[in-house]
Amino acid sequence: DSGVTQTPKHLITATGQRVTLRCSPRSGDLSVYWYQQSLDQGLQFLIQYYNGEERAKGNILERFSAQQFPDLHSELNLSSLELGDSALYFCASSPHPGGGTGELFFGEGSRLTVL
Amino acid sequence: GQQVMQIPQYQHVQEGEDFTTYCNSSTTLSNIQWYKQRPGGHPVFLIQLVKSGEVKKQKRLTFQFGEAKKNSSLHITATQTTDVGTYFCAGPLDSNYQLIWGAGTKLIIKP
Repeated sequence: DSGVTQTPKHLITATGQRVTLRCSPRSGDLSVYWYQQSLDQGLQFLIQYYNGEERAKGNILERFSAQQFPDLHSELNLSSLELGDSALYFCASSPHPGGGTGELFFGEGSRLTVL
Repeated sequence: GQQVMQIPQYQHVQEGEDFTTYCNSSTTLSNIQWYKQRPGGHPVFLIQLVKSGEVKKQKRLTFQFGEAKKNSSLHITATQTTDVGTYFCAGPLDSNYQLIWGAGTKLIIKP
């Protein structure tokens, strides 16, 4: 158990819809990262927040947005969903502000299926 | 842009055979991290190498970081069924930068 909690574990929705994925980081971790993993593919970095502020942005589509709340949990909002958005979305946390410093602790992921 | 190339994409081995995956970066990395993702699971951190030429061992796993800090390898001796999964390398240009991830090497044990 990494200590990172993601909900929901599975989500099935239709094209054009909007969904919100939620992540609670490990206790004490200030950084939250969002990654997308399509079927049997690598990990695509989407965005990082550190202590409530956006820290780094990766290949995140304009239809996607995220935020980190004062209690440090984070939400990833995906809108105008397309079939190609079907993927596993992982949240990871770490205590460090720098994305390349130290271990990332991954949650179990939210599997999104867009029909 | 900066890339980390990881090969091979797949490796099929008989149980008991060795396994190696290689990562090569187009630029010098601050450190290299290795993660393992079991089928249906999430990535789990294995190790971080920081120093040029560093070699670290974890039981049957040996990790190396190249002298130029541009390449790394993971070698597993005498694979077991518990080793099945995808192994990812990842490294930042600088500790303040995001990790650049390799595409992963999937270890498959032949039946």
